[in-house]
Amino acid sequence: NAGVMQNPRHLVRRRGQEARLRCSPMKGHSHVYWYRQLPEEGLKFMVYLQKENIIDESGMPKERFSAEFPKEGPSILRIQQVVRGDSAAYFCASSPNAAGEWGLHFGNGTRLTVT
Amino acid sequence: LAKTTQPISMDSYEGQEVNITCSHNNIATNDYITWYQQFPSQGPRFIIQGYKTKVTNEVASLFIPADRKSSTLSLPRVSLSDTAVYYCLVSRQAGTASKLTFGTGTRLQVTL
Repeated sequence: NAGVMQNPRHLVRRRGQEARLRCSPMKGHSHVYWYRQLPEEGLKFMVYLQKENIIDESGMPKERFSAEFPKEGPSILRIQQVVRGDSAAYFCASSPNAAGEWGLHFGNGTRLTVT
Repeated sequence: LAKTTQPISMDSYEGQEVNITCSHNNIATNDYITWYQQFPSQGPRFIIQGYKTKVTNEVASLFIPADRKSSTLSLPRVSLSDTAVYYCLVSRQAGTASKLTFGTGTRLQVTL
């Protein structure tokens, strides 16, 4: 039973380019969360999605960032016109229900470097 | 959601028991307490979750006093491989859509 799969593991983009981060949740999980982690800091919540719906995007910047979790396929976190400050590790997590009772299962992240 | 406070760092020798305490004074009736472990370059890993009293699994024990305003993660006989960051979180019960908020965690360093 594969865990949460994120790809790519490492992504390098020049300023102004677009970054697409993909997350395949664990089998049977319909809830997906995205977090961002800067070096030596804790994880910051970005967005919480269920299939085809954004439930909570209060942690995601209003501009340049978007997320989706289509009916088929992985969840995508998209960052347009990246800037150096977007360099961070982006983690995806999934759960079988609204997080609380069973905890979250995390992937190993995508490390985005903006040059 | 209740804010959590935990020590920034702790040091221990291999073989000792380590107790990390987390304060969550504003915990609500429906909130669970969950601990995660994170190694460098990896995502957090679920360790243990509890609501009240004591929970034990193969990895750790979680002690929660009656007022639930704090909790203590206990790691028996730590080894070098337990060096990691440990996060305490408070979250609502299943069925309530919610985000999980991570603090800065406790950085545990285990040495020989």
